[in-house]
Amino acid sequence: GAVVSQHPSRVICKSGTSVKIECRSLDFQATTMFWYRQFPKKSLMLMATSNEGSKATYEQGVEKDKFLINHASLTLSTLTVTSAHPEDSSFYICSAKPSATDTQYFGPGTRLTVL
Amino acid sequence: AQSVTQLGSHVSVSEGALVLLRCNYSSSVPPYLFWYVQYPNQGLQLLLKYTSAATLVKGINGFEAEFKKSETSFHLTKPSAHMSDAAEYFCAVRNSGNTPLVFGKGTRLSVIA
Repeated sequence: GAVVSQHPSRVICKSGTSVKIECRSLDFQATTMFWYRQFPKKSLMLMATSNEGSKATYEQGVEKDKFLINHASLTLSTLTVTSAHPEDSSFYICSAKPSATDTQYFGPGTRLTVL
Repeated sequence: AQSVTQLGSHVSVSEGALVLLRCNYSSSVPPYLFWYVQYPNQGLQLLLKYTSAATLVKGINGFEAEFKKSETSFHLTKPSAHMSDAAEYFCAVRNSGNTPLVFGKGTRLSVIA
């Protein structure tokens, strides 16, 4: 149990386009999901906390107009990178926390490459 | 504010040797502590967690960690390394509730045959 999926696993796009990444909790409901960004050989940096039915809470330094987060249901959160640029290339990982537990379960990540 | 320090960005051990990955934390309240493992180009997999129950926590793949409040440590150990243990390991901390995890910088474990 407690499986989190992400789609797509890899995406290559042109500079200036927008990319949507989906995060789904497959066998549990998650009122809270988190989006992280991981640079090569670096730790995970929390970008935002996504709460179902409300606006996401962004960490300091993360542009909310560039990284749009929608958490429309208890099993789905989406991250849209708008007007992507090469510096947005990174590994994006989501996690979801079942309401009654202490544990976050992580998706397999999405490798974004912006040309 | 919470923080996690992982000593050593890279640890190399021989196959069959003891694995010790160090993690120290700071937290203003009793913490929840986690160890995650990440294989190349994959997401994070939970190894084990401490949530104020037993101080010695056993996880998957033969790993265990001991919570030592006096030392503010949560070191990860495994008695005998296997080649398949080679990966990146992250220690993380958070308070209770819906607060997000705060990660250490990670330690890359290499296992030499």
